[in-house]
Amino acid sequence: NAGVTQTPKFQVLKTGQSMTLQCAQDMNHNSMYWYRQDPGMGLRLIYYSASEGTTDKGEVPNGYNVSRLNKREFSLRLESAAPSQTSVYFCASSEESRDRGYTEAFFGQGTRLTVV
Amino acid sequence: AQSVTQLGSHVSVSEGALVLLRCNYSSSVPPYLFWYVQYPNQGLQLLLKYTTGATLVKGINGFEAEFKKSETSFHLTKPSAHMSDAAEYFCAVSDLNRDDKIIFGKGTRLHILP
Repeated sequence: NAGVTQTPKFQVLKTGQSMTLQCAQDMNHNSMYWYRQDPGMGLRLIYYSASEGTTDKGEVPNGYNVSRLNKREFSLRLESAAPSQTSVYFCASSEESRDRGYTEAFFGQGTRLTVV
Repeated sequence: AQSVTQLGSHVSVSEGALVLLRCNYSSSVPPYLFWYVQYPNQGLQLLLKYTTGATLVKGINGFEAEFKKSETSFHLTKPSAHMSDAAEYFCAVSDLNRDDKIIFGKGTRLHILP
């Protein structure tokens, strides 16, 4: 049972480079999330997807784009990386439906990104 | 929109002492509330959750939390701290009636003193 899988686990980018963080879940959840974690700031929501084909901005969306490719996959793209985007990124999924019940968020192991 | 406030970014307790981590939330409708734990270099793991029903919720590793609507609080407690409890703890809130997002507090790092 893999749960939520993120790739890569570590990445170093130069300022201005682009990259895509991949996330996949095998729990058939509708909702998926991308958070960033910085010291003293907790987890801040970057983007959120309530279902396949929908995405919404969170607290800190600037500099990021997302794609909900299908129900399983939710990718986060940095088009032009900046040092301020150095962070640990977490993908999560959950089920939030009155019909299907409610679960907590399940997290991937994180991607540690450094932009130099 | 809902929000979460965790009082104290760092809390230190002696081994064997009571652990109390505070969480207050803001939500216009009954929320879903969670506590997560994060050990170093790992992802977040659910400790316990409140959705409906009994307001005292028991979780893993001897932790429990009580939902107090009148105080808009969901404080986390454990009667006797263990060295292995040293970690960062996050309170989170979600509101199924509004935008369904899960919002986290800034976290409290728990230090256990020998």
